[in-house]
Amino acid sequence: EAQVTQNPRYLITVTGKKLTVTCSQNMNHEYMSWYRQDPGLGLRQIYYSMNVEVTDKGDVPEGYKVSRKEKRNFPLILESPSPNQTSLYFCASRQRGGTDTQYFGPGTRLTVL
Amino acid sequence: AQSVTQLGSHVSVSEGALVLLRCNYSSSVPPYLFWYVQYPNQGLQLLLKYTSAATLVKGINGFEAEFKKSETSFHLTKPSAHMSDAAEYFCAVSDRVTGGGNKLTFGTGTQLKVEL
Repeated sequence: EAQVTQNPRYLITVTGKKLTVTCSQNMNHEYMSWYRQDPGLGLRQIYYSMNVEVTDKGDVPEGYKVSRKEKRNFPLILESPSPNQTSLYFCASRQRGGTDTQYFGPGTRLTVL
Repeated sequence: AQSVTQLGSHVSVSEGALVLLRCNYSSSVPPYLFWYVQYPNQGLQLLLKYTSAATLVKGINGFEAEFKKSETSFHLTKPSAHMSDAAEYFCAVSDRVTGGGNKLTFGTGTQLKVEL
């Protein structure tokens, strides 16, 4: 089944404790992105990647890192999480060209205390 | 810069009534437009998309949307609401300009409630 998977689905942590949210897709897509969803703000792009070893900042990159060492994986790293990073996070992927349709993972709900 | 405005953060309809969710966009290039639905505790699912072919687009679950360039609108409709349609709906425009990294710019969402 074609899908984007994220782990963990739920995470409660404390300020300053480094964490990684994994994202993996099995559709051989070149493009991958991370979004955060906050009430009243919709979804905002954090980082994106157009291919292996090619990443760039989205609209709200502060406090986040990403890497793209393999085509299928695009982990999101919070080196020193803060309470304002409490949010619902989505990973998405799409193929090069086409009609820009993105496929979303199930989301990771992160709480930083 | 592109943007999306969804009028009404909450919409309530009776079961069987018309559903109308409004979306207006701003884009410097002919846009690709999308509607996504998010059911409780789930990810986003594509409902339908406009990619410069037919202006009336039909999607899943009986939804459709009409692209109106003169009004810069892409409103989502369904003739008869069902209880299972209760969800949050997001309109999005694609950044087709290079450098945007295929970013989707989302509206703030409309929560649809369906009442008996």
